[in-house]
Amino acid sequence: AQSVTQLDSQVPVFEEAPVELRCNYSSSVSVYLFWYVQYPNQGLQLLLKYLSGSTLVKGINGFEAEFNKSQTSFHLRKPSVHISDTAEYFCAAQFSGGYNKLIFGAGTRLAVHP
Amino acid sequence: AAGVIQSPRHLIKEKRETATLKCYPIPRHDTVYWYQQGPGQDPQFLISFYEKMQSDKGSIPDRFSAQQFSDYHSELNMSSLELGDSALYFCASSASGTSGGTQETQYFGPGTRLLVL
Repeated sequence: AQSVTQLDSQVPVFEEAPVELRCNYSSSVSVYLFWYVQYPNQGLQLLLKYLSGSTLVKGINGFEAEFNKSQTSFHLRKPSVHISDTAEYFCAAQFSGGYNKLIFGAGTRLAVHP
Repeated sequence: AAGVIQSPRHLIKEKRETATLKCYPIPRHDTVYWYQQGPGQDPQFLISFYEKMQSDKGSIPDRFSAQQFSDYHSELNMSSLELGDSALYFCASSASGTSGGTQETQYFGPGTRLLVL
């Protein structure tokens, strides 16, 4: 079955520290991967995406993610977080043959503390 | 840049009432997707339309129906509302690629928050 797993439901971190939010997917077909961020009471904003090519993709707000096919992972990283990065982060996938619908992970709540 | 527009932003209904949610995609986007996000949950795919035809169907209750109109806007109609329908409903839009394949990044609207009392 095709699925997306976010291993951490909550990640607390101090301001200016690095952070990694983990995402794994399960699929026997090709996949496109996305990270979306949701600030409180707001919609989903696209952070970055992997479609093909370089496995290291850079997004907005200083975030980057690396696609690892052998480990079926797409972890999100930021070298130095800010208070304003506090939000819910969703990893999502489009699986080949899935008519483009997004399958989301359960989300990771990033809480940045001063 | 123009974004996906959803209306209304908030809606309060009683049980067994009906509700209609509207979505206006980004200009020149031909595909619309609807997702439901329950409290503390991840978004779940409901239904999608491409060029005014239903392209895929997910976990959408039979009480719900949707369509895409000639101007590409979409409406989600919800009848016999239940308490469990209280959720954030997102619309997303994308532009089909020349390959017609899956390289279609979805851009989300701000959502409609539905509360059923």
